[in-house]
Amino acid sequence: ETGVTQTPRHLVMGMTNKKSLKCEQHLGHNAMYWYKQSAKKPLELMFVYSLEERVENNSVPSRFSPECPNSSHLFLHLHTLQPEDSALYLCASSQVQGARGYTFGSGTRLTVV
Amino acid sequence: KQEVTQIPAALSVPEGENLVLNCSFTDSAIYNLQWFRQDPGKGLTSLLLIQSSQREQTSGRLNASLDKSSGRSTLYIAASQPGDSATYLCAVSSQGGKLIFGQGTELSVKP
Repeated sequence: ETGVTQTPRHLVMGMTNKKSLKCEQHLGHNAMYWYKQSAKKPLELMFVYSLEERVENNSVPSRFSPECPNSSHLFLHLHTLQPEDSALYLCASSQVQGARGYTFGSGTRLTVV
Repeated sequence: KQEVTQIPAALSVPEGENLVLNCSFTDSAIYNLQWFRQDPGKGLTSLLLIQSSQREQTSGRLNASLDKSSGRSTLYIAASQPGDSATYLCAVSSQGGKLIFGQGTELSVKP
């Protein structure tokens, strides 16, 4: 375990479903991130939360909705997804600005059918 | 816009060889550079973190160097083992806490 825990590890959902991904860290970090990893593509930064404020939204479709209720928890709410949204979703945390590096969770493998 | 490139995309070597993975980035205004390992279908494991003021970091058989002015980093793996087989990712941290990744080098070490 890296100190960043993601649940569930695997998720299969239909295009009309609503589901949520959860990320939790107890490393004392104050910034959290969602990344998407599709096959044969570099990791894509989706959202950045710093001190519980969203500071980055990389043109992500509104069917992805992040939530950061406190510095230890991060959610990604999913609704009306498309098959092309199937990917590995990775959560990461760091100190603000990443000065001491980033710690990643094991990811949620999402399949949209 | 920061871009990170890793060469080669894939590498296959016999066990015991020393090898070098390359990473280049276009904007030298970075806070740090981090090398990660990713096993198939898994998350990322941090290997080495080099701050922008540092030239290299070592951990066991791994050594990473950083030349910020030329926008390059290398990851040196000594005496490679089959257990080193994985994808190796280079990422640079820039203003705003963004971590930008290369596409990775897929390493296969044959027994």
